[in-house]
Amino acid sequence: GQQVMQIPQYQHVQEGEDFTTYCNSSTTLSNIQWYKQRPGGHPVFLIQLVKSGEVKKQKRLTFQFGEAKKNSSLHITATQTTDVGTYFCAGKAGYALNFGKGTSLLVTP
Amino acid sequence: DAGVIQSPRHEVTEMGQEVTLRCKPISGHDYLFWYRQTMMRGLELLIYFNNNVPIDDSGMPEDRFSAKMPNASFSTLKIQPSEPRDSAVYFCASSHGKATEAFFGQGTRLTVV
Repeated sequence: GQQVMQIPQYQHVQEGEDFTTYCNSSTTLSNIQWYKQRPGGHPVFLIQLVKSGEVKKQKRLTFQFGEAKKNSSLHITATQTTDVGTYFCAGKAGYALNFGKGTSLLVTP
Repeated sequence: DAGVIQSPRHEVTEMGQEVTLRCKPISGHDYLFWYRQTMMRGLELLIYFNNNVPIDDSGMPEDRFSAKMPNASFSTLKIQPSEPRDSAVYFCASSHGKATEAFFGQGTRLTVV
């Protein structure tokens, strides 16, 4: 079945540094979604990418979908303490989402 | 709308007991998903429903787990008998057809001792 892998598992940065998490799928994805989960919270939708090579930005966050639609990345510029949490990518399989294991980001002031 | 509502928020039970987790999806959403989250395995899809009908239950760990959706506004996930390895956070999520995002409830933290 479809597997979605994420790296790194953890990332610890100083406030102001950049951060990137990568997502790879064993199969071609129809689309990919990104979610953020704050400590003790629940996953919250950030964005969906659909087109090959698509790039979307949300303020300091940049999301990319690979040309082959098998990989994706999330880049945060100049991290802030409010960015702390776990970032998940999720590949769409039918109507259900298969989540990667996430990248936990810790930001030190 | 209040979002996806799950109850209870926390549940501590003894091994062998029956546990029932409850979920009220967002009104108008026709897809409902049950996920389990652990440190080791991450977010795992257990089962999902479309218009109250179970579509894919291949993620349900074993026969001790069962899920129902008697109507569009209510679903349950039951574990009987519960075991310590079932300890996890269980999330319910709903979405509207092919719409972009899944809305998650606050989750139920289950501890089986």
